[in-house]
Amino acid sequence: GAVVSQHPSRVICKSGTSVKIECRSLDFQATTMFWYRQFPKKSLMLMATSNEGSKATYEQGVEKDKFLINHASLTLSTLTVTSAHPEDSSFYICSAQGGGSSRFNEQFFGPGTRLTVL
Amino acid sequence: GDSVTQMEGPVTLSEEAFLTINCTYTATGYPSLFWYVQYPGEGLQLLLKATKADDKGSNKGFEATYRKETTSFHLEKGSVQVSDSAVYFCALRDTGNQFYFGTGTSLTVIP
Repeated sequence: GAVVSQHPSRVICKSGTSVKIECRSLDFQATTMFWYRQFPKKSLMLMATSNEGSKATYEQGVEKDKFLINHASLTLSTLTVTSAHPEDSSFYICSAQGGGSSRFNEQFFGPGTRLTVL
Repeated sequence: GDSVTQMEGPVTLSEEAFLTINCTYTATGYPSLFWYVQYPGEGLQLLLKATKADDKGSNKGFEATYRKETTSFHLEKGSVQVSDSAVYFCALRDTGNQFYFGTGTSLTVIP
């Protein structure tokens, strides 16, 4: 149990285009999803936290108009990088957490999406 | 604020050597502590965790003990294998469910 998937695993896009990354909890309902960014040889940086059906809470310094997060259902959250630029190239990792007293009430991480902007 | 400090790498060991990766934390309250492993090109996988003082987490021959008196959660393995080559992250989860990660330690095990 507690499988989180991300799609796509890798994406290459041209500068100025938008890219959508999906994060799904496959066998549990995720009341909260988290999006992280990992720079080369660096730790993970929390970008935002989203609860199903409500607006995401962004960390300081993260542009909410550039990184659009939608958590439309209990099993799906999307991150859209709008007007991507080469400096947005990174490894994006999501995590999902169930709520209440369930055994899924902790963060389970997806496999990550490698974004390369040319 | 809360934070995690782990030893910088890279670490290179011969197969069957003993491994220690140090991790210390700063936190208010009573956090849970984790070790995650990241294999090349992949996401994070939970390796082990401990939720209260003196708990020992263990998995795949790795172990770490939650030491409140020294605010540490050092990762150890008695005999590493080539397949253990990866990046290891120490992390804490505070009482508000926020995660704080260390910078990661790259381990390379050579035959």
